[in-house]
This record gives sequence, C-alpha cells and structure tokens, in this order.
Amino acid sequence: AQSVSQHNHHVILSEAASLELGCNYSYGGTVNLFWYVQYPGQHLQLLLKYFSGDPLVKGIKGFEAEFIKSKFSFNLRKPSVQWSDTAEYFCAVTTSGTYKYIFGTGTRLKVLA
Amino acid sequence: GAGVSQSPRYKVAKRGQDVALRCDPISGHVSLFWYQQALGQGPEFLTYFQNEAQLDKSGLPSDRFFAERPEGSVSTLKIQRTQQEDSAVYLCASSLEAGIDYGYTFGSGTRLTVV
Repeated sequence: AQSVSQHNHHVILSEAASLELGCNYSYGGTVNLFWYVQYPGQHLQLLLKYFSGDPLVKGIKGFEAEFIKSKFSFNLRKPSVQWSDTAEYFCAVTTSGTYKYIFGTGTRLKVLA
Repeated sequence: GAGVSQSPRYKVAKRGQDVALRCDPISGHVSLFWYQQALGQGPEFLTYFQNEAQLDKSGLPSDRFFAERPEGSVSTLKIQRTQQEDSAVYLCASSLEAGIDYGYTFGSGTRLTVV
C-alpha cells in the first residue's frame, strides 16, 4: 500500500532561519504531490502541488518544494521563516488517476519571534 | 458560502450514542469527500461523492459509519453506536469537478470526542 513519511514531527526555528521539511512516499508509479498547511484553528490550505514538468515547484508565501523521483522525495523549503509560518504542515500524495489523498502524519513547526 | 462549512465544530458523545456530522460544501461543487484525522495522524480517506452518488466508501472503518448526500449538496456523516476509537476530527472537502487536478477546499472539521 502507498504511504507517506514525514520524519520531522516537531520543528522549532527562530525567525529568519531556513526551513526544510522532509517528505518521502512509497509508490513506484506516477504520483501527484502536495503540501498542505494548517494554521492554528484554521482549515487545511494548499501550499503547492506537483503534477509534472519542472520538479522545482513554487507555492504561496515563499514556499517551494523539489520532487526528486530517484529518492521518492518531495521536501518543502523556505529560505527565511517568519513567526506567522507557525503551523502544521502535511505532505500528501495521490497516484495517477485517483482522487484520494494519502497524507503523512504532519510536521508541527513553531517559529520563535 | 465562500468556504466549506462543517457543523458542529465540537461534539462530545457518550459511548453507544449515534452522532450526525454535517458538511455544507461550496455551492456548485460536484465532488465531496470525508476524511478522518485521529490525534497525531494525517487525515485518512473515508468516502467520496460525485453529486448525490457515493462512488467510493472504501475508507469507512465499519458498518457503523454511513454517509449520504441526497440532493448533491449538503452531506451528513452518521456514526452509530459510537466507540472511543471513533474520537477524531472529521474533515469534509469539496471540489468543483471530479479529479484531483482541480484542487479541494477543506472545511475546518468536526472534533468528535467519545467518552
């Protein structure tokens, strides 16, 4: 069965630090990849998505992610985090032709002002 | 409305009680999904509707779980004879069209606590 791993469960950073959150998936076929963010008390929101083409994907709020097919990875990055980036981040995968998300367990990011 | 609305936001049920959770999707959205998010976990797929048709219910954990969308808009997730393991946040999402490409809008969820 397909699965998504997010190895960092909790991350604490100071403002202006760089961020990289890991995401690995297990599936040998074509995948669509997503990062969602959930700010405290709010609903899940799409940060960025990858379907095909350039493996470096830019999303909202300065986030980007790189799809490395050989490593089955889709890590999320931001060069300089802000206090307002404090949230929980979820990586998700769908396999080609399906509509079901398979989510990772999430990473809680706390940014210290 | 502008977003996906779920009610109630919080529900406490005694073990054995039946509960009904409501989802109001964005007007005109064809696809509607229910996900279950247990504490410390990512959301897990429960069921999928395209208009009023329930096309996939493979994620429903037991026959105590039942979902409907009779007129192709509002959906209700019903859990009969609730158990403690049913405690979770139940998320609803909707999409304008079928297919992942169009993107889903999630609601804020209903947090169910079974005591």
